[in-house]
Amino acid sequence: DADVTQTPRNRITKTGKRIMLECSQTKGHDRMYWYRQDPGLGLRLIYYSFDVKDINKGEISDGYSVSRQAQAKFSLSLESAIPNQTALYFCATSARAGSNQPQHFGDGTRLSIL
Amino acid sequence: AQSVTQLDSQVPVFEEAPVELRCNYSSSVSVYLFWYVQYPNQGLQLLLKYLSGSTLVKGINGFEAEFNKSQTSFHLRKPSVHISDTAEYFCAVRSGNTPLVFGKGTRLSVIA
Repeated sequence: DADVTQTPRNRITKTGKRIMLECSQTKGHDRMYWYRQDPGLGLRLIYYSFDVKDINKGEISDGYSVSRQAQAKFSLSLESAIPNQTALYFCATSARAGSNQPQHFGDGTRLSIL
Repeated sequence: AQSVTQLDSQVPVFEEAPVELRCNYSSSVSVYLFWYVQYPNQGLQLLLKYLSGSTLVKGINGFEAEFNKSQTSFHLRKPSVHISDTAEYFCAVRSGNTPLVFGKGTRLSVIA
């Protein structure tokens, strides 16, 4: 089983719909992250959480919200989806031990908004 | 604030030739540096990391990278590439308690 699991893997939806992307992990890590990947732009940070009661905005948080339901679960919501939110979304985790810890990624959710 | 510049968006190379993927970073404090690889339709996988100590870091699949503090660079190299190395490669930096900051990626295409 994957250590960082994202659901769904693919989603096609319409403009204006509410979307939730889910991430769960079995690594026991405290820190979780949401990124989006666009061709030619690399990965950009949307939100991150260092603990269950901690939520921080990233570089491109507008139009998104998150919920850290438990140490192992971190959900990303698009309240009213728009076409320029079409992208590949990645969840990642890292251990608390320090900034030298690498981040571990899920396989991504490909989201298309028509 | 940190930033990462990957100097080449695409690198084509023939099979068994050497390759270098270039990465420069900017930061006002000490940093940790990472290279990740993304194979088609997959997530990101850690190739190697520089934390401290020896500036030459060896990773998986025969890749290595050299940290050069004076030039603020962390270039990735492989002496002989294979078709299976075709992928997108990302350089990333972090310092303090911040999340990783990624470059825009370099697409390596290995030609038979």
